[in-house]
Amino acid sequence: EDKVVQSPLSLVVHEGDTVTLNCSYEVTNFRSLLWYKQEKKAPTFLFMLTSSGIEKKSGRLSSILDKKELFSILNITATQTGDSAVYLCAAPPSWGQNFVFGPGTRLSVLP
Amino acid sequence: GAGVSQTPSNKVTEKGKYVELRCDPISGHTALYWYRQSLGQGPEFLIYFQGTGAADDSGLPNDRFFAVRPEGSVSTLKIQRTERGDSAVYLCASSFNGRTGRGTGELFFGEGSRLTVL
Repeated sequence: EDKVVQSPLSLVVHEGDTVTLNCSYEVTNFRSLLWYKQEKKAPTFLFMLTSSGIEKKSGRLSSILDKKELFSILNITATQTGDSAVYLCAAPPSWGQNFVFGPGTRLSVLP
Repeated sequence: GAGVSQTPSNKVTEKGKYVELRCDPISGHTALYWYRQSLGQGPEFLIYFQGTGAADDSGLPNDRFFAVRPEGSVSTLKIQRTERGDSAVYLCASSFNGRTGRGTGELFFGEGSRLTVL
């Protein structure tokens, strides 16, 4: 069964801290892994990763994929209160176009 | 509109009633997805449309759930004989899938419809 696991499920940090969020997956015929940020209702797209070892970066956020060990990490440096959200990781299973989502990591950044 | 639009944003109903949730995807997006999200969990796949047809409905939990997309644009998720366990946020997403049916990977989500079954 295809599945996506995230850790930690919850994380509380202070502004300025750096955080690393983890996502591991078991998906046959892997194609891509996506990261989303969900603040209230609608998840918003952050990154799509298809190649191992190539870091994607957007401002203070960066992400990398390891296809050998079947995991990805999302790093946020110099966290701000606006980074507080649930961060979701998703991957499509082998047979379809839909995406299997992990449970998410709830990040709380305190002032 | 520019984004994915879902209505109603909130729906409270009684156990046993019928509900319809509507999704208006981004213009030109051929793929449309329905997900269900319960508190503290990630989105759970329900059904995926490519054009007018349901390409994958394996996530629908039982035959009380049904979805249509008759003209390849707006979709309606229909839930019959609602149960308290159906209470959740129902998210719709759309994406552009090319001629081969393979997507770019990015899903654009609506704000969701929060369903509460009393």
